[in-house]
Amino acid sequence: SHELTQPPSLSVSPGQTARITCSGDALPKQYAYWYQQKAGQAPRLVISKDTERPSGIPERFSGFSSGTAATLTISGVQADDEADYYCLSINITSTLRVFGGGTKVTVL
Amino acid sequence: QAQLVQSGSEVKKPGASVKVSCKPSGFTFGGYILNWVRQAPGQGLEWMGWISIQTGIPTYAQAFRGRFVFSLDTSVNTAYLQISSLKAEDTAVYYCQSDKSGPSYFFDFWGQGTLVTVSS
Repeated sequence: SHELTQPPSLSVSPGQTARITCSGDALPKQYAYWYQQKAGQAPRLVISKDTERPSGIPERFSGFSSGTAATLTISGVQADDEADYYCLSINITSTLRVFGGGTKVTVL
Repeated sequence: QAQLVQSGSEVKKPGASVKVSCKPSGFTFGGYILNWVRQAPGQGLEWMGWISIQTGIPTYAQAFRGRFVFSLDTSVNTAYLQISSLKAEDTAVYYCQSDKSGPSYFFDFWGQGTLVTVSS
């Protein structure tokens, strides 16, 4: 089956770097996408196709993927970055998608 | 500002049906696909499946085959999610999400979410 695994939570102090991993056997063949979801809001895309940052997303957000793991890095974390973060992968062949379980980032 | 606009919250009794609508604002569906995503209270995002805007053919994730139906009405440029035989565990926020991907771009839009509450 197509599954993505994320750590449930991560705590980071302001100004520090947060790294969120997403693991899945299908990732070597599929792009990873990252979404930020703040309480009571719809998700917002912060990284597409492993490394691409959409217009309007701060430069402190970056993505990387290698082998069976994708990583979202938030450099110089700010209080406003406190949110749930989800990875998503898309199987181009079957068109099926799956979200990771989500990581709650708490800014101390 | 381009976005998807969904219908309002619904409260239904077990066994009833509900239909959620999703309409683009500030862009047209052409070239996009339309996904549906469920988020149960306090839980993560769950991809339900997608429907092709071009063909109207739906694809469902395994967990959503049977009581869930995706449809389109091209005359009013609107997508729909219908859930039949509602159960308490269907209580969730349902999002529509649309994206279009090319060699150098990925456009992504979300609706505001529709809360469906199933309670007797």
